[in-house]
Amino acid sequence: NAGVTQTPKFRILKIGQSMTLQCTQDMNHNYMYWYRQDPGMGLKLIYYSVGAGITDKGEVPNGYNVSRSTTEDFPLRLELAAPSQTSVYFCASSLSASGRRGHEQYFGPGTRLTVT
Amino acid sequence: KNEVEQSPQNLTAQEGEFITINCSYSVGISALHWLQQHPGGGIVSLFMLSSGKKKHGRLIATINIQEKHSSLHITASHPRDSAVYICADPETSGSRLTFGEGTQLTVNP
Repeated sequence: NAGVTQTPKFRILKIGQSMTLQCTQDMNHNYMYWYRQDPGMGLKLIYYSVGAGITDKGEVPNGYNVSRSTTEDFPLRLELAAPSQTSVYFCASSLSASGRRGHEQYFGPGTRLTVT
Repeated sequence: KNEVEQSPQNLTAQEGEFITINCSYSVGISALHWLQQHPGGGIVSLFMLSSGKKKHGRLIATINIQEKHSSLHITASHPRDSAVYICADPETSGSRLTFGEGTQLTVNP
């Protein structure tokens, strides 16, 4: 299994441009998550999904959109990129809720995004 | 609001020393998570525990449910243990994790 894969690894955007960060998992996990990690800071949840067709906002959803048309894929869309969105973005997945049944989250390698 | 606090924020040790990282959380449902972020940025899950103690190699995690406190210990620390260690606590719904800001550990040879 490849686990959780993310593309691209690095990207530089100009202010106002848009892009989609891709995330795919091959473990048949129901739950998928998008986090951002700013330098020296903890992980912040952007959006998450508990299954295909179901998405919900996390702590910091403004400026982002997601969709979950299949179990495997959970793309994150940035519209009108701003310097405040410069961060490292991690996608993760888990079989079920990480709290109630204690399923661990598997993380992708991250995408380093710079907006200038 | 779920809050997760870790201490210390930064920790420098000499090779061979015993390391302790602490985590206090406010909600606490079924499983407190410990994760490791490598210097290259990759994140892996180390432990999930809801009671007592778990051990994996030189890493030991303990939890006190009543006090909502967990510790991660590293015995006979090695430079390859240098990483950021993160604890995470489930939200009330159990669907999401709240992460601490991490403890940056540096082990010098």
